[in-house]
Amino acid sequence: QITLKESGPTLVKPTQTLTLTCTFSGFSVSTSGVGVGWIRQPPGKALEWLALIYWNDDKYYSPSLRSRLTITKDTSKNHVVLTMTNMDPVDTATYYCARKLYSTSSRRFDYWGQGTLVTVSS
Amino acid sequence: DIVLTQTPLSLSVTPGQPASISCKSSQSLLHSDGKTYLFWYLQKPGQSPQLLIYELSNRFSGVPDRFSGSGSGTDFTLKISRVEAEDVGVYYCMQSIQLPVTFGPGTKVDIK
Repeated sequence: QITLKESGPTLVKPTQTLTLTCTFSGFSVSTSGVGVGWIRQPPGKALEWLALIYWNDDKYYSPSLRSRLTITKDTSKNHVVLTMTNMDPVDTATYYCARKLYSTSSRRFDYWGQGTLVTVSS
Repeated sequence: DIVLTQTPLSLSVTPGQPASISCKSSQSLLHSDGKTYLFWYLQKPGQSPQLLIYELSNRFSGVPDRFSGSGSGTDFTLKISRVEAEDVGVYYCMQSIQLPVTFGPGTKVDIK
């Protein structure tokens, strides 16, 4: 059974750095063709892709947020961590992590975490 | 960036009736490997998105066969043959042929 769960602060102040952890089970991010991505959703709005990391440590970022994002993985702990610097109230959103496949069979986000709501406010 | 537009943005359906959602892409989503990297997700109220259809027309594990995906190139359709009460929520199309991954604005489906 594949599960993912996001964790981190629910409230951050403007200009602070946000660190979110995605803890997963049922798969390994060291397996060829497997990755984990982050997607966010401001309240009442659509989904926005943020970052991806793959089994081979290739990393990809949303061009509009690249300068503020860092994604890393800890294969031994089944963790993927996303940091976002210089947080602003417009970054208030539910942040999701999801498994991403990149193989000859598929390139889908298939399993998603429950999401964690992060509010940016002083 | 590839822009995805969805129509309609909201849809009210009588249970048992069919429903259809359109997604149009600003660029072709047909890859040289022959696959079309267009996906459909349903986000039920208060839940995270769940994968319905991957690579244009493949139903994900556990997805009822009343859901089907079709289309080609830049024009795509998600069809629900007979809407049930549990199908309410927001439907998103997504592309992953090119980074950044992008999503459509969503189509909210409710029951009459």
